[in-house]
Amino acid sequence: SAVISQKPSRDICQRGTSLTIQCQVDSQVTMMFWYRQQPGQSLTLIATANQGSEATYESGFVIDKFPISRPNLTFSTLTVSNMSPEDSSIYLCSVAQGAGEKLFFGSGTQLSVL
Amino acid sequence: QKEVEQNSGPLSVPEGAIASLNCTYSDRVSQSFFWYRQYSGKSPELIMSIYSNGDKEDGRFTAQLNKASQYVSLLIRDSQPSDSATYLCAAAWYSSASKIIFGSGTRLSIRP
Repeated sequence: SAVISQKPSRDICQRGTSLTIQCQVDSQVTMMFWYRQQPGQSLTLIATANQGSEATYESGFVIDKFPISRPNLTFSTLTVSNMSPEDSSIYLCSVAQGAGEKLFFGSGTQLSVL
Repeated sequence: QKEVEQNSGPLSVPEGAIASLNCTYSDRVSQSFFWYRQYSGKSPELIMSIYSNGDKEDGRFTAQLNKASQYVSLLIRDSQPSDSATYLCAAAWYSSASKIIFGSGTRLSIRP
């Protein structure tokens, strides 16, 4: 499976600021996804990061709040903009790889907004 | 709206017994199904994938898929305390808008 490096691993941010999370994969992958996991909850898909085109966002998530870049087949960033305490969550980068496009996860970014 | 449903638990099973975890999904177009295990504070890790009707066995784990009933299950034989975790069911759709949707997870506790 791919090795997925995600950083930062955790951060504490002030309300109104923005944080960019980076995801680096050790091999080229077609599909990359960004998920959010709020405390005690399951994973919610934020968007699919498409190489060379705009990301595809799920209902309830918008580009102005969660801009995503995917400049090549091994790298993506997710920015959480104009943060509020409700954005406190774990953000997970994931890639689909292998037969049946199995999903593998980075180690996550624990975000706390004060 | 595509959905994946799981019983949140907690499910408590004695050590050495069989743990049975269940999952239903809403869309008949779903193509692939996965079971993930997530320990507290860790990322989900893939333990089983299944794509066609029937059973698939891997060590102590057996995944079962019934597409007519839109039902997926995971059996864990000879349950160990290290199996205590949250188990997430996921369903995938591969089309112009490929996505993988997760259920809410079932918390499993293996009691010694």
